[in-house]
Amino acid sequence: EIVLTQSPGTLSLSPGERATLSCRASQILSSSYLAWYQQKPGQAPRLLIYGASSRATGIPDRFRGSGSGTDFNLTISRLEPEDFAVYLCQQYSSLYTFGQGTKLEIK
Amino acid sequence: QLQLQESGPGLVKPSETLSLTCTVSGGSISGSSYYWDWVRQPPGKGLEWIGTIHYSGSTYYNPSLKSRVTISVDTSKDQFLLKLSSVTAADTAVYFCARHIPAAGAMGPFDSWGQGTLLTVSS
Repeated sequence: EIVLTQSPGTLSLSPGERATLSCRASQILSSSYLAWYQQKPGQAPRLLIYGASSRATGIPDRFRGSGSGTDFNLTISRLEPEDFAVYLCQQYSSLYTFGQGTKLEIK
Repeated sequence: QLQLQESGPGLVKPSETLSLTCTVSGGSISGSSYYWDWVRQPPGKGLEWIGTIHYSGSTYYNPSLKSRVTISVDTSKDQFLLKLSSVTAADTAVYFCARHIPAAGAMGPFDSWGQGTLLTVSS
């Protein structure tokens, strides 16, 4: 099983700041088969990024995914109030596993 | 617009079998490119993939749950179903259904989700 480790566990920032979230895989992910999701309380996850760097339909360009191999990042360039949520990474290189999440909270 | 809606009993007793249904609307479950998924999230915890089915009947299961899980599809009703046997309190979770387009063999990112349904295991 591929284990995904996300860091930090919690990130405290202010609107307008830049956020960088990390996801590290225990094995190399084939063809960067990694996705990022945003989840707000009481809601289902929303797909943001797939293939490590491709934005899903309707996702603003302030969200950027990068990385390959075992190390991946999600960068939110200028935080909007609606961006404060939990972010999860998912690998689909070998079945599926999810990271434990990073909570992005307002400072 | 595609919509997925989970339905189920809400409460199941320990050792019984959990049964949940996901109804797809705004599209056909038989769309050849799509696969259909079950994911769960225990209260305050992370997401766990349960399994995946294609309308043809091909299934893929989480190895940690495989011995207890059956996923099936009813194309006439645009529904897919989850059965999880011998439940315990550890199976208490919000259960989501979802859809993906394959990108890595049969696997792919989940681009549509249901709202989720809480299932509690308690006597």
